[in-house]
Amino acid sequence: EVQLVESGGGLVQPGRSLRLSCEVSGFSFDDYAMHWVRRAPGKGLEWVAGLSWNSNSIGYAGSVKGRFTISRDNAKKALYLEMSSLRIEDTAFYYCAKDITKRYYYDDSGNYHVLSAFDLWGQGTFVTVST
Amino acid sequence: EVVMTQSPATLSVPPGERVTLSCRASQSISTNLAWYQQKPGQAPRLLIYEASTRATAIPVRFSGSGSGTEFTLTISSLQSEDFALYYCQQYNSWPPLTFGGGTKVEIK
Repeated sequence: EVQLVESGGGLVQPGRSLRLSCEVSGFSFDDYAMHWVRRAPGKGLEWVAGLSWNSNSIGYAGSVKGRFTISRDNAKKALYLEMSSLRIEDTAFYYCAKDITKRYYYDDSGNYHVLSAFDLWGQGTFVTVST
Repeated sequence: EVVMTQSPATLSVPPGERVTLSCRASQSISTNLAWYQQKPGQAPRLLIYEASTRATAIPVRFSGSGSGTEFTLTISSLQSEDFALYYCQQYNSWPPLTFGGGTKVEIK
């Protein structure tokens, strides 16, 4: 059975740090890019960070760049998000998501891509940043 | 950054009706677009990728079309389980990957 299970959420004070984990099973983890996506209360979905199957390509949303670090351990089939200098506006459900593309693809225009759509999601872990 | 704009923000529709949701990109994204459904208390679910390819186990009443900057998601006959939030997402250029603001489909 394919599963993505997040952990590590909770209540944290502004300026502090937190580490989220996502353990996966049921698919060949090291062949797929992985992402973190969040949804703040009353807001829409926001892509937070993603990294390619081999970690050679990594990207962040502007709102978290320099504060959050995404990483993966293919041997442990785990994805991580290190969050530092947390702000009240980081309060959200954080979802781990698997990319649908195996390693890479070429689109209709012949362009090379390593990140794409998210076909599997965890149930999420909630992070509250508050005093 | 590619900005994704969805319209309308809310759609009130009776069951059985045909529904069309729109998504516009601020620049051409070819067909590098996905659609998701999210219900309260649940994780999002992938419906469509590559603008028109249905994801695994998605009913045929869901269809996607478009390329470049204009995209649509059509639900041919709205079922009770389809009342939810819908998001489009581009993956043509990153970072960042970007979502639209969402369209809420509610019961009329």
